[in-house]
Amino acid sequence: AQRVTQPEKLLSVFKGAPVELKCNYSYSGSPELFWYVQYSRQRLQLLLRHISRESIKGFTADLNKGETSFHLKKPFAQEEDSAMYYCAPTSSGNTPLVFGKGTRLSVIA
Amino acid sequence: SQTIHQWPATLVQPVGSPLSLECTVEGTSNPNLYWYRQAAGRGLQLLFYSVGIGQISSEVPQNLSASRPQDRQFILSSKKLLLSDSGFYLCAWSWQYTEAFFGQGTRLTVV
Repeated sequence: AQRVTQPEKLLSVFKGAPVELKCNYSYSGSPELFWYVQYSRQRLQLLLRHISRESIKGFTADLNKGETSFHLKKPFAQEEDSAMYYCAPTSSGNTPLVFGKGTRLSVIA
Repeated sequence: SQTIHQWPATLVQPVGSPLSLECTVEGTSNPNLYWYRQAAGRGLQLLFYSVGIGQISSEVPQNLSASRPQDRQFILSSKKLLLSDSGFYLCAWSWQYTEAFFGQGTRLTVV
């Protein structure tokens, strides 16, 4: 079964400081993981997927199989990064798409 | 391109009244469909998911039910609302092994 854990409900950082949102997974097989973001008054949307190894809005996330982690990182936080972030595996077969509890990031000016 | 519509955006209902929230997807076929409830501090709670017409799996026993009468239509219902049913409900779709796409959500207030 696929499970993700986001240990932090709330993370506050100052503008310009590095930010790391933690996500740990429990997965039988090869994991495919995503980060989603929900800005205020906007719909929940995909931020990035690990398989594409991309950087979106300055965020990156590396899959660490040894630590079973998929932490989201950004070297310099901006106020517009304040949002709710969710880590999730992909759905497969009849396994439903189950999200972590999410982390609210607050970037303080 | 694919789009997902969810309505209504907001709803105020008295206790004991019925509920029907509708979600439709356009531009794709045979999607996986989901209903979630989003609550502060509790993240996204999966309520129901469906891999095909008439196939509904419930994740949380509760006062709600779901139906999928057509391939791209997913309905969340209740016969009698409780105060505890208040919340923000999200519909989503995905294919296997891909990301999910979400509707705008419905803010339900039971009074």
